[in-house]
Amino acid sequence: EAGVTQFPSHSVIEKGQTVTLRCDPISGHDNLYWYRRVMGKEIKFLLHFVKESKQDESGMPNNRFLAERTGGTYSTLKVQPAELEDSGVYFCASSQESGDSYNEQFFGPGTRLTVL
Amino acid sequence: SQQGEEDPQALSIQEGENATMNCSYKTSINNLQWYRQNSGRGLVHLILIRSNEREKHSGRLRVTLDTSKKSSSLLITASRAADTASYFCATTDSWGKLQFGAGTQVVVTP
Repeated sequence: EAGVTQFPSHSVIEKGQTVTLRCDPISGHDNLYWYRRVMGKEIKFLLHFVKESKQDESGMPNNRFLAERTGGTYSTLKVQPAELEDSGVYFCASSQESGDSYNEQFFGPGTRLTVL
Repeated sequence: SQQGEEDPQALSIQEGENATMNCSYKTSINNLQWYRQNSGRGLVHLILIRSNEREKHSGRLRVTLDTSKKSSSLLITASRAADTASYFCATTDSWGKLQFGAGTQVVVTP
């Protein structure tokens, strides 16, 4: 069974440009999470989808970030326009169910974004 | 603000030695998890310990949890070069959102 995949693995763009990151969760996983790790700092939550709905987007830094999950399958995270401080590694994770019971989140390899 | 805070920030040891890192958190938890990130790769789930557990083992990993002190420790015994990675503790809210600490960078030299 395929794990969580992310595309691209690495993106280098200039400040002011637009970048779209893609995440394909494990098939059948309703929950999809985006996290990011800015250089040398902790991994921070960005947002959580349950199927196609945004359950929690409290971690989105500002309105330059737009996440979608059309049809409840893959998700995209668009940064427009990109700023220098957006550089970092963006991780996607998926899990089957949420709630009080623990469900392991399976992480993708991440997309390393470099904004010059 | 981060939920988990790890110390040390960096740890350098030789193969065969044990590595211990600690994590503190702020709020009540249902469980605490440890993850590893190898350079250039995604996060790998290592072990989960529930709030009613005090110690848990998995292979060469040993995790302890002290809910009265809001702290956890991860011990890697008989370390190998392949254990070189960043290690993160994380707590989970009821929706599964993970809140990570800053991580401990472990370097194991042959």
